[in-house]
Amino acid sequence: GESVGLHLPTLSVQEGDNSIINCAYSNSASDYFIWYKQESGKGPQFIIDIRSNMDKRQGQRVTVLLNKTVKHLSLQIAATQPGDSAVYFCAEQGAQKLVFGQGTRLTINP
Amino acid sequence: DGGITQSPKYLFRKEGQNVTLSCEQNLNHDAMYWYRQDPGQGLRLIYYSQIVNDFQKGDIAEGYSVSREKKESFPLTVTSAQKNPTAFYLCASRPSGGSQPQHFGDGTRLSIL
Repeated sequence: GESVGLHLPTLSVQEGDNSIINCAYSNSASDYFIWYKQESGKGPQFIIDIRSNMDKRQGQRVTVLLNKTVKHLSLQIAATQPGDSAVYFCAEQGAQKLVFGQGTRLTINP
Repeated sequence: DGGITQSPKYLFRKEGQNVTLSCEQNLNHDAMYWYRQDPGQGLRLIYYSQIVNDFQKGDIAEGYSVSREKKESFPLTVTSAQKNPTAFYLCASRPSGGSQPQHFGDGTRLSIL
């Protein structure tokens, strides 16, 4: 079956540094991936997505990289700010449902 | 503003009681979803609906029921058969077709009295 996993449950970075959150997926037929940010007590918020015909996509301060060879994607956050503290989920959009990873909690140190 | 509204934000259930969680969207999305999130965990799919008057079981449908009588509404009932209902419940919606992300409401936290 499909599964999406994250390499690290927690990540702590200094304010102003870049953050990299990794995710592995198992279904080589997957063609659409999404990163979400979830703050405490709130629903997941869409950050950025990428289709399998792309290797990289950039947004405002965020970049998603997709490596189909090793079935890995990453979320890079530039110049991490206190407001970036949250749990980050990668998700794979299958034919009918999203498959979520367990999430990585990002903590920002002042 | 367009969005997804879940209510109530907090809900308490007594033993043997059914409770219904509301989810309304004004995004004109065809598909709607219900997820359960336990502390420190990812999201697990309970039920989903891709069109009015039709819905399918997700990965953990036992003890739950849904209806989809209107495009904008997808209520979830947590029945007494669900023995461990304490969790954070999230509703989502997305347009049908193509690669489109799901958009989420801000959840309902259900606890047992």
